[in-house]
Amino acid sequence: KAGVTQTPRYLIKTRGQQVTLSCSPISGHRSVSWYQQTPGQGLQFLFEYFSETQRNKGNFPGRFSGRQFSNSRSEMNVSTLELGDSALYLCASRSNSNTEAFFGQGTRLTVV
Amino acid sequence: GENVEQHPSTLSVQEGDSAVIKCTYSDSASNYFPWYKQELGKRPQLIIDIRSNVGEKKDQRIAVTLNKTAKHFSLHITETQPEDSAVYFCAARMDSSYKLIFGSGTRLLVRP
Repeated sequence: KAGVTQTPRYLIKTRGQQVTLSCSPISGHRSVSWYQQTPGQGLQFLFEYFSETQRNKGNFPGRFSGRQFSNSRSEMNVSTLELGDSALYLCASRSNSNTEAFFGQGTRLTVV
Repeated sequence: GENVEQHPSTLSVQEGDSAVIKCTYSDSASNYFPWYKQELGKRPQLIIDIRSNVGEKKDQRIAVTLNKTAKHFSLHITETQPEDSAVYFCAARMDSSYKLIFGSGTRLLVRP
């Protein structure tokens, strides 16, 4: 069974640009969550999607948005990038009934 | 608000010794407590978890204890090995939410 796949693995963007990250969950998993990991703030919850609906949202500005498609694949978008958005962005998937969250390898975003 | 405090931030032990990492959560509605291990450059991986109706859970050299009254939970690693060296994160979650609240992480170094 393939794991959670995130693309791209690495990304360099300039301040003010926007970026879209992709996450393909484990087959059969309908829930996808996104986290931002930085050395200073640790792992912080961004949002969670289930069956194409956002169920939870963390304390991030509106520049951070996401969506989920009918095949459960999810994307997150960050607009008007700031230097402080440089981080490892992780997504995690789980089935509806299984508690365990499986993480992808992450996308390392660098904003210059 | 929801918060998970984790201590210590760094821990260095001699191979064969035990390691203990402690977490405290703020939301009394939390009922699921996973522990993740993250090796350098890799994704967080679940190593053990515990639900609030259980006080202790063990899996070979790893154990987790939960004190719901005090809102404390701890990870115990016995007979540590160099390959246990990694960053360990505790987390807490309510059943009604998929939002995992993470501790700040503990960098464990096992000296050969």
